[in-house]
Amino acid sequence: DQQVKQNSPSLSVQEGRISILNCDYTNSMFDYFLWYKKYPAEGPTFLISISSIKDKNEDGRFTVFLNKSAKHLSLHIVPSQPGDSAVYFCAASRSGAQKLVFGQGTRLTINP
Amino acid sequence: KAGVTQTPRYLIKTRGQQVTLSCSPISGHRSVSWYQQTPGQGLQFLFEYFSETQRNKGNFPGRFSGRQFSNSRSEMNVSTLELGDSALYLCASRALAGRNEQFFGPGTRLTVL
Repeated sequence: DQQVKQNSPSLSVQEGRISILNCDYTNSMFDYFLWYKKYPAEGPTFLISISSIKDKNEDGRFTVFLNKSAKHLSLHIVPSQPGDSAVYFCAASRSGAQKLVFGQGTRLTINP
Repeated sequence: KAGVTQTPRYLIKTRGQQVTLSCSPISGHRSVSWYQQTPGQGLQFLFEYFSETQRNKGNFPGRFSGRQFSNSRSEMNVSTLELGDSALYLCASRALAGRNEQFFGPGTRLTVL
């Protein structure tokens, strides 16, 4: 039972354009969501998070949107840069629980 | 601040052996969690420690165990290794106060032959 799903295994975007990565979840008890970026042979790097009391959070080029009714979140990267090429994971957790439940990841490739 | 460190970075073992992996959290972080990453199952939670106590455990067999020391450093142990235990083992630390951002180390790549 996969509680967090990233349905696109890969995404290719032109440099300078917007990258949109999507994530769906099934467990309505999740109330905190995070995005991580991962390069091969390295650990995931935290990018941005959002609490369920918000519907948007911005940090520089990264914006996360949360639609609770649809149980959907998305990460927008604007403008996309070659260094953004990596695998992106979305993760969810419940209040008081340190366990993160991860999606399967989306490989983002930024083309020059 | 130094990040999360994990040792060793790479390890090769044979079936039936046991292995111990080590993790040092970010200074001041008292919560340490362990995750396993495999191509088939993705990133899966193993367990979480705080103040030398296991607070949460994922769905893994008892061959997987861990502990945390008074300085917040943590170790995980896998006994009677199986081929399917080959994976990247990641440690993450978290500051207690505030949000649930966990910061990951580089991982230990375990290969079981």
